[in-house]
Amino acid sequence: GAVVSQHPSWVICKSGTSVKIECRSLDFQATTMFWYRQFPKQSLMLMATSNEGSKATYEQGVEKDKFLINHASLTLSTLTVTSAHPEDSSFYICSARSPPGGTGTDTQYFGPGTRLTVL
Amino acid sequence: AQSVTQPDIHITVSEGASLELRCNYSYGATPYLFWYVQSPGQGLQLLLKYFSGDTLVQGIKGFEAEFKRSQSSFNLRKPSVHWSDAAEYFCAVRSGTYKYIFGTGTRLKVLA
Repeated sequence: GAVVSQHPSWVICKSGTSVKIECRSLDFQATTMFWYRQFPKQSLMLMATSNEGSKATYEQGVEKDKFLINHASLTLSTLTVTSAHPEDSSFYICSARSPPGGTGTDTQYFGPGTRLTVL
Repeated sequence: AQSVTQPDIHITVSEGASLELRCNYSYGATPYLFWYVQSPGQGLQLLLKYFSGDTLVQGIKGFEAEFKRSQSSFNLRKPSVHWSDAAEYFCAVRSGTYKYIFGTGTRLKVLA
């Protein structure tokens, strides 16, 4: 149980194009999902918190017009990197917060990540 | 401010040797603590977590961690390391808004 998938696992795009990354909770409903960015050999940096049916909450310094987040259903959140540039190249990881109750309460389950390379 | 410190950036151990990865946290209330492992190019896998109760927590893959409030620590241990344990290990604390604060990670290398 508690499986989170991401698609695509890797993507290469040209500078100026937009890229959409999907995050799905496969066997549970996640009212809250999180998007992280990880630079090589560094820790995870929280970008935003995505709540189903409402606007995402962005961390300080993260451009919300650059990184569009949509959480349209209880099992799907998407991150769109708009007008991507080489400096946006990174490893993007999503996580889904387990629903209240049960042994998995308040635990985040992570997707396998998406490597974005912008040429 | 809430924070997590993993003092060791790199650790190298021989296969079969014991392992301890250090984690210190700063958090005002009772912390929710986690250890995750990340293999190269992969997402994070939950090893174990502490919310309350017994301060010695058992996890997957033979890992355990001990919560010590007096030392603000949550160190990860394994009695005998396997070559497949080579990976990056992250300690995290959950904040009041359900966000996780991660440490900088410890990269484990296992010698054959």
